[in-house]
Amino acid sequence: GQQVMQIPQYQHVQEGEDFTTYCNSSTTLSNIQWYKQRPGGHPVFLIQLVKSGEVKKQKRLTFQFGEAKKNSSLHITATQTTDVGTYFCAGPRSGGGADGLTFGKGTHLIIQP
Amino acid sequence: DGGITQSPKYLFRKEGQNVTLSCEQNLNHDAMYWYRQDPGQGLRLIYYSQIVNDFQKGDIAEGYSVSREKKESFPLTVTSAQKNPTAFYLCASTSGTGNYYEQYFGPGTRLTVT
Repeated sequence: GQQVMQIPQYQHVQEGEDFTTYCNSSTTLSNIQWYKQRPGGHPVFLIQLVKSGEVKKQKRLTFQFGEAKKNSSLHITATQTTDVGTYFCAGPRSGGGADGLTFGKGTHLIIQP
Repeated sequence: DGGITQSPKYLFRKEGQNVTLSCEQNLNHDAMYWYRQDPGQGLRLIYYSQIVNDFQKGDIAEGYSVSREKKESFPLTVTSAQKNPTAFYLCASTSGTGNYYEQYFGPGTRLTVT
């Protein structure tokens, strides 16, 4: 079945440094979604990318969808302590996502002040 | 406030007992989902329902059952047949159409079975 892989599993950074997590799917995706889960919390939707080569920005966060629609990345510029948490990518199990999502295992972002 | 509620937040059960987790939403969403999260892992889909009185197995449905008698409610029963029931259970819903199915998650229930 479909697999979504994320690297790295853990990333330690000093506050103010940049952070990037990478996501790779075994199949071509119609879209890819990113979620953030704070420690002890639940996943919160960040963004969805749909078009090949799409780049979207949210303040210090930059999201990219690969040309082949099989990979994606999330880059955070100048990390802050509020960025701590686990970042997940997820692709639809089929179609657009009505049948649910397949999640990567996530990248845990740990920030040292 | 609109959202998804799950109760209880923490649940403890003895091995061999069935337990039902509650999930209620007032977002008027048609589709609802149950995911399981184990420590250090991503979320895995257990069951989903796109409409009342209909539901489908996800990737790890064995040992679980669901019902969808009302649009607002999608309870999950963890049966004694589930071999490793201790986990964090997350309910989600979406109003998605076309290619847009962002999921709204509830706060989750942490189930411990001993």
